[in-house]
Amino acid sequence: GAGVSQTPSNKVTEKGKYVELRCDPISGHTALYWYRQSLGQGPEFLIYFQGTGAADDSGLPNDRFFAVRPEGSVSTLKIQRTERGDSAVYLCASSQSGMGTSGTYEQFFGPGTRLTVL
Amino acid sequence: GDSVTQMEGPVTLSEEAFLTINCTYTATGYPSLFWYVQYPGEGLQLLLKATKADDKGSNKGFEATYRKETTSFHLEKGSVQVSDSAVYFCALLYNFNKFYFGSGTKLNVKP
Repeated sequence: GAGVSQTPSNKVTEKGKYVELRCDPISGHTALYWYRQSLGQGPEFLIYFQGTGAADDSGLPNDRFFAVRPEGSVSTLKIQRTERGDSAVYLCASSQSGMGTSGTYEQFFGPGTRLTVL
Repeated sequence: GDSVTQMEGPVTLSEEAFLTINCTYTATGYPSLFWYVQYPGEGLQLLLKATKADDKGSNKGFEATYRKETTSFHLEKGSVQVSDSAVYFCALLYNFNKFYFGSGTKLNVKP
């Protein structure tokens, strides 16, 4: 079966431009997560969706970042007025349901989108 | 705030050597603890987890014990193989759905 897929795999853009990053979760997974991984660091939580709604967006660094999941499946992370500091690998993960207190449902990660802002 | 600290790498070992990768955490309450692994060219995968104090998670010969008294979750394997070469991430689960990851430790195993 298909895993989590992300497109594009690589994105190079210029400072100030707008970018969209797409995530296709595993079919039937209601929970979806976005993370950002800077070079030499671990993934940093950005936002969590349960179905169509953002249940926790406390990790979004500022209002230039926005994510949607209109039909409860595919999600798009949108970054406006990109800055060089936004360069990172953006990871998406999905799980069958929310993690709960003990991580009952495993998160499956996609391969990531490498964003480079020149 | 909640955080995870793991030993810096890279760690280079010969095949069949004993492995320890240290991980300590700071958290309010009692989080669940995880180890994830990222093999070259692949996405993050769950390796093992422990949900309460004194629990031991194990998988593929790797083990880690949740030590509340030392706030640690060290990863161990008795005999590493070349195929274990990867980056290992310690993580804690907080507030039901938010993971905090360590910065990762790269393991190189030489034949």
